[in-house]
Amino acid sequence: GEDVEQSLFLSVREGDSSVINCTYTDSSSTYLYWYKQEPGAGLQLLTYIFSNMDMKQDQRLTVLLNKKDKHLSLRIADTQTGDSAIYFCAESLQAAGNKLTFGGGTRVLVKP
Amino acid sequence: EAQVTQNPRYLITVTGKKLTVTCSQNMNHEYMSWYRQDPGLGLRQIYYSMNVEVTDKGDVPEGYKVSRKEKRNFPLILESPSPNQTSLYFCASSPGTGTTGANVLTFGAGSRLTVL
Repeated sequence: GEDVEQSLFLSVREGDSSVINCTYTDSSSTYLYWYKQEPGAGLQLLTYIFSNMDMKQDQRLTVLLNKKDKHLSLRIADTQTGDSAIYFCAESLQAAGNKLTFGGGTRVLVKP
Repeated sequence: EAQVTQNPRYLITVTGKKLTVTCSQNMNHEYMSWYRQDPGLGLRQIYYSMNVEVTDKGDVPEGYKVSRKEKRNFPLILESPSPNQTSLYFCASSPGTGTTGANVLTFGAGSRLTVL
C-alpha cells in the first residue's frame, strides 16, 4: 500500500542548507513531489521528479531520489527566513489514476 | 489570475446542520480533488473527479458527497456534519497528467471548518 513518511520538524540557521527527508513504500511511484505550505495558505508546488531520475536541481532547490531505498530528499541552499513553512512530499501512482499521496509534512523553522 | 477559489474560508457549525463548501477553478482543469488536512496526518484525499460527471472516492470519503456538474465547480457537501469532520479542507485542480505524466495540483487557500 501507499505510505509516505517525513520527520515532523527541522530547525536551521539562516544561510545554512536545509535537508528535508521523505521515505515512501510503493516502488511503483511514477512521480514524486515537494510542496510548500506557508501559514494560512494552500500548498504550492516547489518541484517534482520523475521516478527514473536521480536528481533534479532548480535554483536553490536540489531533489535527490534514491529509488532503491525509496528515499527522497529536498535540499534548500542558503536557507532564508521566508523558507520557514511546512514542506510536504507526495507520490503519485499512474496505476491509481495519478492520485497524490502526501506525507505528514515537515515544519521547517529558520532562525536568524 | 489563475486560481482555485474556496468558500467559505472559515465556518463554525453544529452537528447535523448540512453545509456545502464551494470550489471553483478558472483554468479549465479536468481534474479536481478535495483533501482534508489534520495535524500529523498530512493531506488525505476525500473525493476526486477526472472530468464532468465523473467522481470517485478517495481515502476518506465517509460523511462527504461531491458533484461535478460543470467543469469549473466541485462542491463538497457534508449532509450531517459531525465533530470528527472538524478539519482544514483544501480543494485542488490540475490539467490531468497531460504529456508530462505528472499530476501538478493547484490548491485553494483552504476552508477551516469547526463542527460543535
